[in-house]
Amino acid sequence: GQNIDQPTEMTATEGAIVQINCTYQTSGFNGLFWYQQHAGEAPTFLSYNVLDGLEEKGRFSSFLSRSKGYSYLLLKELQMKDSASYLCAVRDSNYQLIWGAGTKLIIKP
Amino acid sequence: GAVVSQHPSRVICKSGTSVKIECRSLDFQATTMFWYRQFPKQSLMLMATSNEGSKATYEQGVEKDKFLINHASLTLSTLTVTSAHPEDSSFYICSASSGTGSSPLHFGNGTRLTVT
Repeated sequence: GQNIDQPTEMTATEGAIVQINCTYQTSGFNGLFWYQQHAGEAPTFLSYNVLDGLEEKGRFSSFLSRSKGYSYLLLKELQMKDSASYLCAVRDSNYQLIWGAGTKLIIKP
Repeated sequence: GAVVSQHPSRVICKSGTSVKIECRSLDFQATTMFWYRQFPKQSLMLMATSNEGSKATYEQGVEKDKFLINHASLTLSTLTVTSAHPEDSSFYICSASSGTGSSPLHFGNGTRLTVT
């Protein structure tokens, strides 16, 4: 079956750096997405990786290793507003999006 | 960037009534739209894939007669929750993609449905 694993919850300190990991086993691979979702709101798109390597976008970076079925989202200079759930999603060979359960990130002052 | 508009944002209805939720892609044509449901503290659950001009594809366990989906144009899909019950209370979110490949899903702001 298809599966995406990410930690349920993480805690970090304001101003610090946090890395949220995502591992996947899917039928084929056509890209990996990271979304941010604040409580009670819809997800918003953060990043997309289809080739191996690091994609940097401001304070957020996303890394992909297709051979390892692994990605991470790196958040730098954490701010209180970064407290949210972070969803990892993989597009499979049928272009279906397979969603992880999300990682709730708690930022402490 | 691509914008998806969803309406209403909140609705409270009585048990047994029907509720219609609209999802519009404002600045792009979406041949495919997706409807998700999310219960508190849980991840997104895909309910159905809505294809313009054809019948929707429902995920296993989702009753197609209860959750009616219509995708009459390239910019509008509607979800109607028929004969709503309290257990249907949830956060419903639509999404659309402007293409394949690197095009991400763009989400509407969601509809908080409360059935009393």
